Amino acid sequence: GQQVMQIPQYQHVQEGEDFTTYCNSSTTLSNIQWYKQRPGGHPVFLIQLVKSGEVKKQKRLTFQFGEAKKNSSLHITATQTTDVGTYFCGNAGGTSYGKLTFGQGTILTVHP
Amino acid sequence: DAGVTQSPTHLIKTRGQQVTLRCSPKSGHDTVSWYQQALGQGPQFIFQYYEEEERQRGNFPDRFSGHQFPNYSSELNVNALLLGDSALYLCASSFGPTNTGELFFGEGSRLTVL
Repeated sequence: GQQVMQIPQYQHVQEGEDFTTYCNSSTTLSNIQWYKQRPGGHPVFLIQLVKSGEVKKQKRLTFQFGEAKKNSSLHITATQTTDVGTYFCGNAGGTSYGKLTFGQGTILTVHP
Repeated sequence: DAGVTQSPTHLIKTRGQQVTLRCSPKSGHDTVSWYQQALGQGPQFIFQYYEEEERQRGNFPDRFSGHQFPNYSSELNVNALLLGDSALYLCASSFGPTNTGELFFGEGSRLTVL
């Protein structure tokens, strides 16, 4: 997959505040996947976006894929302490099917 | 339905030693990929196995090798361990080598090299 950059690296929020992490690429992406890794845990798949301008929602989580398919975002509304963890975006496909290239991740801390 | 299982969960080795990590894919999956995750970093692709052959390889030296068995389980071997090999090693399974969908990760094997 193509290289992806993620920002911010860290985000500290108070419980109830919103949170957004961004994933950017200099090239067009065939798809974007988002994973969550709890502290001490392993990456768990959240969602995959494939279409230009796609928006998907999972309860308090909203995922977007940019019109140019070069960026994506994950937005969490009204964070809870259970949202704590590292959120990774990743790209699979292009000439490297089955190989997922991850961003550096955004570490989310939620203060009660 | 068993998910991806890895063993051992933790291990400590010294520089120069060799290590073997094991992975059983999720039921119904036939493709296994290995990732290295250093502390504070995203997982880095090591290689992928399908039909008992290495299909793709990331930017890792030949000290990293693997194997896939007829039952689809897989091993990751690392020779001549370096301090920098200390990391969480994740196994991921999927169906088919060209699958661009969801990867199922195991809990990982945390390797510490002293």
